[in-house]
Amino acid sequence: KQEVTQIPAALSVPEGENLVLNCSFTDSAIYNLQWFRQDPGKGLTSLLLIQSSQREQTSGRLNASLDKSSGRSTLYIAASQPGDSATYLCAVRRGTGANSKLTFGKGITLSVRP
Amino acid sequence: NAGVTQTPKFQVLKTGQSMTLQCAQDMNHEYMSWYRQDPGMGLRLIHYSVGAGITDQGEVPNGYNVSRSTTEDFPLRLLSAAPSQTSVYFCASSYGPFSGNTIYFGEGSWLTVV
Repeated sequence: KQEVTQIPAALSVPEGENLVLNCSFTDSAIYNLQWFRQDPGKGLTSLLLIQSSQREQTSGRLNASLDKSSGRSTLYIAASQPGDSATYLCAVRRGTGANSKLTFGKGITLSVRP
Repeated sequence: NAGVTQTPKFQVLKTGQSMTLQCAQDMNHEYMSWYRQDPGMGLRLIHYSVGAGITDQGEVPNGYNVSRSTTEDFPLRLLSAAPSQTSVYFCASSYGPFSGNTIYFGEGSWLTVV
């Protein structure tokens, strides 16, 4: 059974700091991995999608990397801002079929202090 | 551009009552799904659909019913509400469950069963 772990559960940093959020998974036979952002009282917004054949994806100040063999992904946020405060979730997908399962981590709640 | 719309946003039910959570998307997505999000449990898949007339069970389907009569709508029915169904429910859609497809989430429905 695939398990996705995100540690720590919460993180507080001063504005301007570069930071790394970690995601680990137990079964390396994944098809892709996604990072999501969730604001309080809101749904999830997809940030980055990395296919299993890719090593990283970038969008603006965000960079996500994937190391399948070690079962790890990181989300790098450059020059953090108070507006980055949110919960960040990673999710891995196994398979491509109609019932391919998306397994979520429990998320890391990030607070960026002005 | 509405995206994925869920109603109601908040609902309080008594044990044994039934209700329907509505979900509609205007992106012509084939794939729609319902998740529940509980503290310490992450997101778990309840039911999903790969197109009009086709539904299937996810990880935690008991106590819930779905149907997909149109591409746009995917309602979730609670047959006889139980306190264990107190949760935040998210509807999601994508072009397909396959690689490269961004998943779009609704803003959630907060359900309390007393």
